[in-house]
Amino acid sequence: AQSVTQLDSQVPVFEEAPVELRCNYSSSVSVYLFWYVQYPNQGLQLLLKYLSGSTLVESINGFEAEFNKSQTSFHLRKPSVHISDTAEYFCAVSERFGNEKLTFGTGTRLTIIP
Amino acid sequence: ETGVTQSPTHLIKTRGQQVTLRCSSQSGHNTVSWYQQALGQGPQFIFQYYREEENGRGNFPPRFSGLQFPNYSSELNVNALELDDSALYLCASSPQVVSGGEQYFGPGTRLTVT
Repeated sequence: AQSVTQLDSQVPVFEEAPVELRCNYSSSVSVYLFWYVQYPNQGLQLLLKYLSGSTLVESINGFEAEFNKSQTSFHLRKPSVHISDTAEYFCAVSERFGNEKLTFGTGTRLTIIP
Repeated sequence: ETGVTQSPTHLIKTRGQQVTLRCSSQSGHNTVSWYQQALGQGPQFIFQYYREEENGRGNFPPRFSGLQFPNYSSELNVNALELDDSALYLCASSPQVVSGGEQYFGPGTRLTVT
């Protein structure tokens, strides 16, 4: 079984400031790692994912996340946030050799302060 | 290309009643997963359907059941509704059943049980 912990339920950040959203996971088997974003009144959208290879993965809108196996973490970072980044961010895992079942964390609400 | 759609958008039911939620998967996708997102929580996996067969189930009682049709659309049925069933129900489709792929989420159906 897997579990995902997002310790920060809410993160307020000033516009153009850097941000880090923390994610830790626990699993007895190898997993894939994901960050999904949920904008207000919209469905979840994939932001980025780690399957294998380079431990640093990037999204098209400036976010990046680094897989750290020893710390079982997959923190999400952005060097400079914008108002449009206001959303709820969910970290998730799925078993490497299972079906596509995603196990999500409880989410972090990112609020950008102008 | 039409994305994942869900109906209805909102629904209010009374405890003990039955409800059916519907999902149309994205064109070309043969796998549908259902998730329950309670207020302030991350989505929890209910079950997945692949080519009309159940392909994995989360920790939900048998009164949660589903169907997938030949066109890969899907239904989620919940019998004997309880107050704790109040949540946002998300449907996600994908073009494969292998772990690691992107799942495409619909906007959800908000169910309120009174």
